[in-house]
Formats: sequence, structure tokens, C-alpha cells
Amino acid sequence: QKEVEQDPGPLSVPEGAIVSLNCTYSNSAFQYFMWYRQYSRKGPELLMYTYSSGNKEDGRFTAQVDKSSKYISLFIRDSQPSDSATYLCAMSAWTGNQFYFGTGTSLTVIP
Amino acid sequence: DSGVTQTPKHLITATGQRVTLRCSPRSGDLSVYWYQQSLDQGLQFLIQYYNGEERAKGNILERFSAQQFPDLHSELNLSSLELGDSALYFCASSKQGSNTGELFFGEGSRLTVL
Repeated sequence: QKEVEQDPGPLSVPEGAIVSLNCTYSNSAFQYFMWYRQYSRKGPELLMYTYSSGNKEDGRFTAQVDKSSKYISLFIRDSQPSDSATYLCAMSAWTGNQFYFGTGTSLTVIP
Repeated sequence: DSGVTQTPKHLITATGQRVTLRCSPRSGDLSVYWYQQSLDQGLQFLIQYYNGEERAKGNILERFSAQQFPDLHSELNLSSLELGDSALYFCASSKQGSNTGELFFGEGSRLTVL
């Protein structure tokens, strides 16, 4: 079983839709959870960071962590064509330790 | 621009050959990570260095090796290359001790083995 599971998609939504991206994990020691966005032929860039359980909101993006279910989500409101990218979840047990990445979900927002 | 520089951007070589990928981390970052990204495997952690010392090792093949130099730049050496080594290789850096867990990625080196 992989440490982190993520549905690769692809996901295609109309502009303005609410997008939900999800990851599950198996290691209960994970406490740092991140979402990275990767545009085609570019390196991943950090989008959201959450420590332990709870919600975090940043503009149109909301990250949720449910440690009891080992499940994390990223919600994108009012999706824009510029949100079209691959979204990767990542997690680690403590800072400086190895980060485990999901395989990424490819998202296309259609104008 | 993340501040992490990787060279070369593209590399085409033949099976059995050896290549070296280079990474310069962001100014002040002591940790360097190497990742391999292929279509079916996603981002696979290879190895991490912190201030010149190996800190963690992931799924790195014995044919691959890396080091971090005193000026903190890092090199990933891939030898006896096989077709399956074709992938994007990313370097990332972070400020050890930061509690954001943020990795800053370079643009990657795309390796094609023919």
C-alpha cells in the first residue's frame, strides 16, 4: 500500500465550478500536510500548508485535514482557467523529514 | 521564480551512459532534496542532503548517487542509464528548522534515455 493515495483524474470542470481534490494516507504519524500546484513543464509550487487537523482558507482555496479518517481535501471556489494544472498533495511526519507526495490530480477548467 | 536553479533543462543520452544533474538551492537554504517524476509514479523521493551531509534516502537506485558540496550546490549522478530512467528530475530546497514544511522546487531536468 502506498503511503499517499490520490486519484489522478483527469478532472474537467466549467469555469466558476467548485473543485474538490482529495488524498488519503496510511501513516498516522503524518502531521504536516501540503498542496502543491504544478503547471505543465514547471516545478511544483506550494499552494497550501496545514499543520495537524482542521481547515485553512486562503482566498478561493480551502484545505481540510481529517486525521481521524486519514483524509485531506483541497477545495477551489469559483475555479478559473488559470487553475488548470496538476495538484499534488504532500505530507510529512515532522519538519525536515521526508515528504511523501501523491501522484497528482490533473485539473482542467474550461472557459 | 523559486530561486532554485537546475541544469541542464533537457538532456538526451543513450543507454549505458552517465549523466550529472546540477542544483543550486535558494540562498540560505541548507537542505537539498532530489525527486524523480515519471508519468505513472508521480514524485518519488530519491535523497536529501543537509549542509553537506546525507540526511535521508528514499527509492534511489544503486546506479544513482548524489552529493552536496561546501557551497551547498548539489549534483545527482546517474550511471549505466536505462530506458526506464527517462523522467523529470527535480531538485528542491528548504530552510531546515522552518515549520512551514515548504519545499521550493526548481524547474527540473528532463532526461531522455534512448
